[in-house]
Amino acid sequence: KNQVEQSPQSLIILEGKNCTLQCNYTVSPFSNLRWYKQDTGRGPVSLTIMTFSENTKSNGRYTATLDADTKQSSLHITASQLSDSASYICVVRKGSGANNLFFGTGTRLTVIP
Amino acid sequence: EAGVAQSPRYKIIEKRQSVAFWCNPISGHATLYWYQQILGQGPKLLIQFQNNGVVDDSQLPKDRFSAERLKGVDSTLKIQPAKLEDSAVYLCASSSQLNSPLHFGNGTRLTVT
Repeated sequence: KNQVEQSPQSLIILEGKNCTLQCNYTVSPFSNLRWYKQDTGRGPVSLTIMTFSENTKSNGRYTATLDADTKQSSLHITASQLSDSASYICVVRKGSGANNLFFGTGTRLTVIP
Repeated sequence: EAGVAQSPRYKIIEKRQSVAFWCNPISGHATLYWYQQILGQGPKLLIQFQNNGVVDDSQLPKDRFSAERLKGVDSTLKIQPAKLEDSAVYLCASSSQLNSPLHFGNGTRLTVT
C-alpha cells in the first residue's frame, strides 16, 4: 500500500535552534519527493524537490535529504525563526498512474521566542 | 505570475444546505485539482481535471459532491447537501501539465454547523 508517514506530529522549539523532521514512505515506484510548507490559513508552498539520484538539497536554511534505499527523507531547519512556524508536509509522487501524489499528514512546527 | 485564486475564503453553513467554491488556476495550467484538508491531516484528492476532462474522481463522494471545469479554466466545487463531516479546508491546485509541480491556492475554510 502506498503510504507516507511523518514524524513527529508536532514540535515546539526555541527560536535559533535547529530541528529535523522525518518522512518515511512506501510509495513505489518512486518518482520524486517534495517538502511543502503550509502557513496557517494558506495553501502549501513547495520548499524542495528530491529525485531518486539526489541525496541532499538545500534551500536557504532548509536542507532536505533522501535515502531512496530505506525510503526515508528528512527536512532539517537551521537557526529557526518565528516565521518557520507552520506545517511541513511530505509529498511523494509515484512513477505511474494519474492520481500519483501521496501526502503525509504533516508535522506542525511551532517556534517560540 | 498570479497565483491560484480561490473564493470565498471562509464559509459557514448549516447541515443539509448547499455550498459552492470557485477556483481560478494559474493562466495556462492545464491540470487542476481539488483537495479536501481536514484539520491536522494532509490534503486528500477529491478530483483532478486535465483541461475540461476528469482524470480522477475516485475519492469524490458523488452522492453529494460535484465539480466542473467547463471551459478548461475556472472550476467550481459544489456540496449538496452538506454534512458536519464536510467541515474542512478545500484547496485548489494547478499545474502546467500532469506531472508538473502543484501550485496551491489559499483554500476555502468550510464550517458546517
